Amino acid sequence: KQEVTQIPAALSVPEGENLVLNCSFTDSAIYNLQWFRQDPGKGLTSLLLIQSSQREQTSGRLNASLDKSSGRSTLYIAASQPGDSATYLCAVDRVVGNKLTFGGGTRVLVKP
Amino acid sequence: SAVISQKPSRDICQRGTSLTIQCQVDSQVTMMFWYRQQPGQSLTLIATANQGSEATYESGFVIDKFPISRPNLTFSTLTVSNMSPEDSSIYLCSVIDRGNQPQHFGDGTRLSIL
Repeated sequence: KQEVTQIPAALSVPEGENLVLNCSFTDSAIYNLQWFRQDPGKGLTSLLLIQSSQREQTSGRLNASLDKSSGRSTLYIAASQPGDSATYLCAVDRVVGNKLTFGGGTRVLVKP
Repeated sequence: SAVISQKPSRDICQRGTSLTIQCQVDSQVTMMFWYRQQPGQSLTLIATANQGSEATYESGFVIDKFPISRPNLTFSTLTVSNMSPEDSSIYLCSVIDRGNQPQHFGDGTRLSIL
């Protein structure tokens, strides 16, 4: 059974600092990995999708890497801003069925 | 990406009653899913909504408790039946436009059971 872990559970940084969020998964047989952002009282916003054959994806200040063999992904957010404060979730997609298994999330607070 | 609308956005219900949640997408999508997010927890997949046939449920979820319909490629409903306080959660609909694409989520339905 696939298990996804996100460490740390919470993170507080001053504005301008780079953020590093970690995600690990137990079964390397994944179809893809997706990073989401969840604001309080809101649904999920898709940030980045990394296919299993890819090593990284970039979008603006966001960069996500994937090391499938070691079961790890890292989300980097450069030059953090208070608007980046949210919970960040990673999810892995099973090989069959497009069914996501989520990590517990990392709650991020960026202080002005 | 597809625009997903969920109704209601929130509700407070009495124990023993049932509530149907709607998920409407502004374009045809290949796959639709229903997830549950219990208080302080991450998301857990309830089922895959299959168009024109019975939904595919994950372990721990059954059709009698969470009946799901998907009459076409843009609409699905999830019913939470015979509710108890343990059903208080956020219920989220998600879709995939086509294969190999990101999964997108609605804003969720916040359900509280008294």
